[in-house]
Amino acid sequence: AQSVAQPEDQVNVAEGNPLTVKCTYSVSGNPYLFWYVQYPNRGLQFLLKYITGDNLVKGSYGFEAEFNKSQTSFHLKKPSALVSDSALYFCAVRVSGNMLTFGGGTRLMVKP
Amino acid sequence: DAGVIQSPRHEVTEMGQEVTLRCKPISGHDYLFWYRQTMMRGLELLIYFNNNVPIDDSGMPEDRFSAKMPNASFSTLKIQPSEPRDSAVYFCASSGTGRGTRYYNEQFFGPGTRLTVL
Repeated sequence: AQSVAQPEDQVNVAEGNPLTVKCTYSVSGNPYLFWYVQYPNRGLQFLLKYITGDNLVKGSYGFEAEFNKSQTSFHLKKPSALVSDSALYFCAVRVSGNMLTFGGGTRLMVKP
Repeated sequence: DAGVIQSPRHEVTEMGQEVTLRCKPISGHDYLFWYRQTMMRGLELLIYFNNNVPIDDSGMPEDRFSAKMPNASFSTLKIQPSEPRDSAVYFCASSGTGRGTRYYNEQFFGPGTRLTVL
């Protein structure tokens, strides 16, 4: 079965420092992988996706993610964190059709 | 497009009452998903539709929950009777299968309905 795991419930980083939010996946076949962000009292917003092509995917708000097939990972990264990046981040994988299964979420706290 | 529209945004009701949540997907999208989010259980998929047909309702907690999609522009999630443990934020999301667009496979979420059952 297709699944993703987010091993960290929370990530703390200082403003201006690089950030990484981890995601590992388990799929049969080629993975379609996604990152979403949820700000307080809002629905999830799409950040970026990997389907095929370059292993480094660039998305919204300066975020990028690196697809690593050998490590079955799809970590979300940003070179310089902003306080406004503080939110809940979800990794997801396509199961079938347009159905996605989401990870448990990682809360990112960026401190000034 | 206004995005996915959900109503009401907040609902407070008493145990035993019927609750109906509504969703209008993005025009042209052929998939619609209902999710529930709580602190304890995270984000759970309840049911999803493709071309107005329910495809997978294995996430629906019990018979008290039902969902319908009478046409491509409207869906409801009903809880009858409601219980305090149903308190959560309920999200509707839609997505399209237009391969010619950059939005293939992406789900677009509504703002959610915060349900409180007293």
